[in-house]
Amino acid sequence: GENVEQHPSTLSVQEGDSAVIKCTYSDSASNYFPWYKQELGKGPQLIIDIRSNVGEKKDQRIAVTLNKTAKHFSLHITETQPEDSAVYFCAASASNFGNEKLTFGTGTRLTIIP
Amino acid sequence: GAVVSQHPSWVICKSGTSVKIECRSLDFQATTMFWYRQFPKQSLMLMATSNEGSKATYEQGVEKDKFLINHASLTLSTLTVTSAHPEDSSFYICRGTTRGLDEAFFGQGTRLTVV
Repeated sequence: GENVEQHPSTLSVQEGDSAVIKCTYSDSASNYFPWYKQELGKGPQLIIDIRSNVGEKKDQRIAVTLNKTAKHFSLHITETQPEDSAVYFCAASASNFGNEKLTFGTGTRLTIIP
Repeated sequence: GAVVSQHPSWVICKSGTSVKIECRSLDFQATTMFWYRQFPKQSLMLMATSNEGSKATYEQGVEKDKFLINHASLTLSTLTVTSAHPEDSSFYICRGTTRGLDEAFFGQGTRLTVV
């Protein structure tokens, strides 16, 4: 089955700097790669996703890049703000759609230092 | 986006008792509900997938007689932890979707503490 590895497990950055979180996956059949933000005591919320036919996607301060050959994808957050502090999870699915089973990474606890 | 409402948000129960967690889809009909368990500082592990009107499919290693899942309607799915033990203490989260929807939505999660 699919295995998703995520690094780093914790990340602290100064407010205003950029943060990068990386994930690798094992199943070459995976086509859908979402990123979730989870605040303490809450369920994860989708913040951005990318499909295998696209190499990069951007939404304001958040961007995701995908390298299918190397089987890795990354989340980039620019101009970080204190409210970006949370746990971030990457995930992968063999489906083209976001309503199927997902395999999650182990999570990254991001702390923004004011 | 669509909303999945999960209750309770937290519950404390005694060992040996059962606890029911509910997930309701408020503005769509959830044909499929995924149930996850998350231990502190760990990732989300899929426990089972339920489809409305049929039996749930459990992941390997998850006891179906201990974690009873019911998905009797398109707006309600429940997870009952039977004969709970302290090791069942965890954060349980549902994620609902429907055919034609290109996304699934998480509930808010339930923190279960068994004492």
